[in-house]
Amino acid sequence: GAGVSQSPSNKVTEKGKDVELRCDPISGHTALYWYRQSLGQGLEFLIYFQGNSAPDKSGLPSDRFSAERTGGSVSTLTIQRTQQEDSAVYLCASSLVRGGDTQYFGPGTRLTVL
Amino acid sequence: AQKITQTQPGMFVQEKEAVTLDCTYDTSDPSYGLFWYKQPSSGEMIFLIYQGSYDQQNATEGRYSLNFQKARKSANLVISASQLGDSAMYFCAMREGLDSGGGADGLTFGKGTHLIIQP
Repeated sequence: GAGVSQSPSNKVTEKGKDVELRCDPISGHTALYWYRQSLGQGLEFLIYFQGNSAPDKSGLPSDRFSAERTGGSVSTLTIQRTQQEDSAVYLCASSLVRGGDTQYFGPGTRLTVL
Repeated sequence: AQKITQTQPGMFVQEKEAVTLDCTYDTSDPSYGLFWYKQPSSGEMIFLIYQGSYDQQNATEGRYSLNFQKARKSANLVISASQLGDSAMYFCAMREGLDSGGGADGLTFGKGTHLIIQP
């Protein structure tokens, strides 16, 4: 079966613009996770969804970041009024359920804010 | 304090030799899982191996094995008979609170080890 897919693979935007990053998890996986990977900060966990619900949004870096998931499947990470420090690779992962289940990652979206 | 520590920023190893990548972790939670991922230059994170804190035996997956020393809070990855295709970044990660079903559900990653296999 297909793995986790993300789009776009690359996104270049100007400072101040909004961007939407999309994640399509493995079919049947109920849990979905967003991470950010940057040179300075390494890999940071941002948010997870169990079904369509995100119980804890405290990992999001600022209130410019939001995420939603619809139909228990596709998720969108939105960054409003992008800043240069938002430049990073945004990785999405999914797992069968929560707990100790392995998270399988997508190829990531490389975001560059000019 | 860092929750996951990988002390080897980079390693050069001759092809066909065995490799040990170090990982120590810090948690007071009795129920946790430890993961190793490989990230080649293409960028995708590839799951390699998992060890649960209650597992009695060390995990193995093909050429990968995890040397789990619970008392020392160590979870080193061993790659036997290294191949050129093993050249990549390797990340150790932990997930806590598995018993409670709550708490932090994201993985906490170390900073990684850049492994280069030389012919």
